[in-house]
Amino acid sequence: QSALTQPASVSGSPGQSITISCTGTNSDIGGYNYVSWYQQHPGKAPKLMIYGVRNRPSGVSNRFSGSKSGSMAFLTISGLQAEDEADYYCGSYSNKNTLWIFGGGTKLTVL
Amino acid sequence: EVQLVESGGGLVQPGGSLRLSCAASGFSFSTYSMNWVRQAPGKGLEWLSYISSTSTIYYADSVKGRFTISRDNAKNSLYLQMNSLRAEDTAVYYCAGDRDYTFDIWGQGTMLTISS
Repeated sequence: QSALTQPASVSGSPGQSITISCTGTNSDIGGYNYVSWYQQHPGKAPKLMIYGVRNRPSGVSNRFSGSKSGSMAFLTISGLQAEDEADYYCGSYSNKNTLWIFGGGTKLTVL
Repeated sequence: EVQLVESGGGLVQPGGSLRLSCAASGFSFSTYSMNWVRQAPGKGLEWLSYISSTSTIYYADSVKGRFTISRDNAKNSLYLQMNSLRAEDTAVYYCAGDRDYTFDIWGQGTMLTISS
C-alpha cells in the first residue's frame, strides 16, 4: 500500500504558523482516529508529537496541534521557532494488508 | 528512564541473515505492543512488523516470509530475525513501543547495510 501523502517541504519565518497536511483514504485516516505525528531531527530517532489525531504527549509544546477532516490530517505549528526545523511524519492505523502506514515526510524549514 | 536500545546491525552480504535485538528498560515491556520500523538513507519511515503483548503478529508485505519478529518478556527484549537480505533492506532499523496505536517510545536505531 502506498504511503500517506505529505508535501515534501514547507517553510515559515520565526513566529509564524504553518500547517502540514497528510492525505490518506477511508482505510486509514478516514476510518480511524489513530493518526499520529512524529518529529525527526537529522540523525535522531523520531519523536511523538501528536497522537489520536489531536492529543499532545506530556512535554510537547502546546504550539503543536493536530486535526482531521475526512481522510486528511493536519499538523499545525504556531509561533515557529528555529528548533522546530526538522522532518515531520504522519502515521495512521490501516485496515488494509499493512497494519500501520506512514507519510513520506515533510521537511520544515524555519527561514 | 524509559529506554529502547537496538543492537545487531552491521554489514551483511546479499542473501545473508542477521538478528536485531532491542532491549527495553524503564517501562512495563510485557504490557506493550512492539514494532520494528526502518528508514532507508534519505528516505521516510517504513513500518515493518508488529507483535502484541500476547504475541499477535503482523508484517508488511515487503518483509513477509523473510523477517520474523519475536519477543522475550522475561528478558525485556524484542528481536527481528532477517533472512534473504537484499540491497533494498539497507536502512536504520528502529524498535518502537506502541500503546493505543501510537508509537510513543523509540530506540536510537541500528544501521544495517547490505552490500557485497
